[in-house]
Amino acid sequence: QSVLPQPPSASGTPGQRVSISCSGSSSNIGSNTVNWYQQLPGTAPKLLIYANSQRPSGVPDRFSGSKSGTSASLAISGLQSEDEADYYCAAWDDSLNGPVFGGGTKLTVL
Amino acid sequence: QVQLQESGPGLVKSSETLSLSCTVSGYSISRGYHWGWIRQPPGKGLEWIGTIFHTGSTYFNPSFKSRVVMSVDTSKNQFSLKLSSVTAADTAIYYCARNVRLTAELDHWGQGALVTVSS
Repeated sequence: QSVLPQPPSASGTPGQRVSISCSGSSSNIGSNTVNWYQQLPGTAPKLLIYANSQRPSGVPDRFSGSKSGTSASLAISGLQSEDEADYYCAAWDDSLNGPVFGGGTKLTVL
Repeated sequence: QVQLQESGPGLVKSSETLSLSCTVSGYSISRGYHWGWIRQPPGKGLEWIGTIFHTGSTYFNPSFKSRVVMSVDTSKNQFSLKLSSVTAADTAIYYCARNVRLTAELDHWGQGALVTVSS
């Protein structure tokens, strides 16, 4: 059981908008910023969203993040085939005194 | 640009110690940032192992605390992980990453090193 539950899978067709949720608690998402990582098959995770909603240089604005209370979500608009990957949320946990990750959501582009 | 590269044995015997190094290029560890180790068992999610600052201060996941040692060698621009008393459950891809302060923001990652624990 992951500290930050995520739906195990999500899917959409090209051009659609999909959203992935991430649930937490007061010790992690509720009191710290949320980050999202994209892991393409066979590669290392890549920082996709930091500080809840900021995109690193080079990340398309099709990707957006938001946070409300102890939950967060990642939205991908204009879905493309190359978006097919695993997506993980992460937040610092004040009880663990370290980062915790979501269980990951496998996004399939139909 | 900042690059990280893990190195170490890909096969470790059960009950022995797993040792990995992470060589950083494009950024001097001694300038700052925290540096972390994260692992991913085959087909599973990500798990934080520990984080080290260039001064040597360390932060460990309590799940590993009794078995893990981390160190930094600023002269080689490297940091290292040692995980003792390994079992098959420690078989995973081990990633090193640059940690922005003590947060969950890991802005640069190594390509990962698969370590298999054999009996």
